[in-house]
Amino acid sequence: GAVVSQHPSWVICKSGTSVKIECRSLDFQATTMFWYRQFPKQSLMLMATSNEGSKATYEQGVEKDKFLINHASLTLSTLTVTSAHPEDSSFYICSAREGKEATETQYFGPGTRLLVL
Amino acid sequence: GQNIDQPTEMTATEGAIVQINCTYQTSGFNGLFWYQQHAGEAPTFLSYNVLDGLEEKGRFSSFLSRSKGYSYLLLKELQMKDSASYLCAAMDSNYQLIWGAGTKLIIKP
Repeated sequence: GAVVSQHPSWVICKSGTSVKIECRSLDFQATTMFWYRQFPKQSLMLMATSNEGSKATYEQGVEKDKFLINHASLTLSTLTVTSAHPEDSSFYICSAREGKEATETQYFGPGTRLLVL
Repeated sequence: GQNIDQPTEMTATEGAIVQINCTYQTSGFNGLFWYQQHAGEAPTFLSYNVLDGLEEKGRFSSFLSRSKGYSYLLLKELQMKDSASYLCAAMDSNYQLIWGAGTKLIIKP
């Protein structure tokens, strides 16, 4: 149980284009989903937290107009990187939490590697 | 400020035991998580401690001392597949996870 998928796993795009990453909870309903970014040899950096049906809460320094998050259902959240630039190249990971208790385990998706040329 | 400290890298021998330490300073505390992350993959959950003491789960055990702001992950009977990064994350009073940079564990035959 507690499987989270992400699609695509790899994406290469040209600078200035937009990229959409999907995160799905396959066998549970995710009350809350999280989006992280991880640069090589660094820890996870939380970008935003989203609850189904409401606007995402972005961490300080993360541009909400550049990183659009839509948590349209209890099993799907999307992250759109708009007008991507080479510095946006990173490993993007989503996680999902089933219950409402904040201390419940987050289950991570397999991640999406984004390379912006 | 909030901070998590864990060693950058450790090396151990197959079949041996290794202890990965983590110290944390957070505004409030709602538990500590350990995750395993293989290179190029997403983290997978290992353990969650909110009370003092040792919790054992197969070859892996996790210990917490709230008064000392300290936790460790103990791995026994090391296998080559245990080569990975181990991430320590503490949850603060706002239920935000504060992540450590991870400890890269190298297992040698």
